[in-house]
Amino acid sequence: KAGVTQTPRYLIKTRGQQVTLSCSPISGHRSVSWYQQTPGQGLQFLFEYFSETQRNKGNFPGRFSGRQFSNSRSEMNVSTLELGDSALYLCASSLVGRDGYTFGSGTRLTVV
Amino acid sequence: GESVGLHLPTLSVQEGDNSIINCAYSNSASDYFIWYKQESGKGPQFIIDIRSNMDKRQGQRVTVLLNKTVKHLSLQIAATQPGDSAVYFCAENLENNDMRFGAGTRLTVKP
Repeated sequence: KAGVTQTPRYLIKTRGQQVTLSCSPISGHRSVSWYQQTPGQGLQFLFEYFSETQRNKGNFPGRFSGRQFSNSRSEMNVSTLELGDSALYLCASSLVGRDGYTFGSGTRLTVV
Repeated sequence: GESVGLHLPTLSVQEGDNSIINCAYSNSASDYFIWYKQESGKGPQFIIDIRSNMDKRQGQRVTVLLNKTVKHLSLQIAATQPGDSAVYFCAENLENNDMRFGAGTRLTVKP
């Protein structure tokens, strides 16, 4: 079966712009979580969506937001981009709990 | 505070040898653990998982051991191959369903 699909794979944006990233979970998975990964901070949790509702949220500023659609696909948006937002953004999906928590390949965002 | 941590940030082994990657966790209520492999430029890849009611689980060339007494998790890779070179993360599922990840161990396999 298809894995977790993230688009686009690479993105270059300018400071101050906004960006939207997309994640399509494994078919049947209803939970989608987003992470930011940087060399210095490792994997940091952004938020989790389940059945179109945000279920958990990490410690990121309000510039980071997300949503989930009825087909479980999720998007995350970052507004007013800063240089420090350059990172690999990963999403992970699972059924209900954490069994088989599976990651996508990520979107590499570079802010210049 | 409570954390998921790795004893060794880097590990270098000879091809064909066995590798052991360790992970310490401090939340005794964690009920589910996962090991991931992350290659350069890719997302973390699920390797093997284990529930807290087990102490050992085996996959293809990999074994995960869980010692709840000392809150320790290890990943054993048998007959390590060059393709095993990657960063390995352990993750614990906390009681509130948060997943917490270790910093990662970089495994390098020498031919």
